[in-house]
Amino acid sequence: SQTIHQWPATLVQPVGSPLSLECTVEGTSNPNLYWYRQAAGRGLQLLFYSVGIGQISSEVPQNLSASRPQDRQFILSSKKLLLSDSGFYLCAWSGDGGNQPQHFGDGTRLSIL
Amino acid sequence: GENVEQHPSTLSVQEGDSAVIKCTYSDSASNYFPWYKQELGKRPQLIIDIRSNVGEKKDQRIAVTLNKTAKHFSLHITETQPEDSAVYFCAAGPALYNTDKLIFGTGTRLQVFP
Repeated sequence: SQTIHQWPATLVQPVGSPLSLECTVEGTSNPNLYWYRQAAGRGLQLLFYSVGIGQISSEVPQNLSASRPQDRQFILSSKKLLLSDSGFYLCAWSGDGGNQPQHFGDGTRLSIL
Repeated sequence: GENVEQHPSTLSVQEGDSAVIKCTYSDSASNYFPWYKQELGKRPQLIIDIRSNVGEKKDQRIAVTLNKTAKHFSLHITETQPEDSAVYFCAAGPALYNTDKLIFGTGTRLQVFP
């Protein structure tokens, strides 16, 4: 069966520091991968999605970036965090093609001080 | 672009009553409609989904109905229990210009009082 791992679970970082969140999927090949951000009490904002290695689409302008160095690995990064980057970051995967459910990781709660 | 509207934003019901959450979508090409439940501090979890060749789907106390003509779909929870308390998100896909994305509603906070 497929599993998705996301870490760390919680992270406290100072403003201006770098960021690296990692997500890996097991048990499937060529998944679509997604990064979402969820502000407290709010909905899901799609940040990036990837349909293959090295293929990244950005949904909103921001100081975050994403990379997919391997088929089942998706990384969210920032060179300099802002206070507004605080939130709950969720990685998700889906099968290749349309009409596929997305399955979420346990999320990373990021607090910027 | 594609838009999914979800109502109500909050819903309070007494244990044992039914709860209904409604969503409308704008892209007539959408043909996949999942529903997610998110408990406080946890990840969203898929609870039921429906595809456009089906008008209704049931799974125990949960059912989803779809009206493609009107472009709306609904989640029905019967005999609600306190553990049903969570935020529920609807979604529609694929997006007109991208077959790999789901468009999510803004969520409904359901509270079930014992």
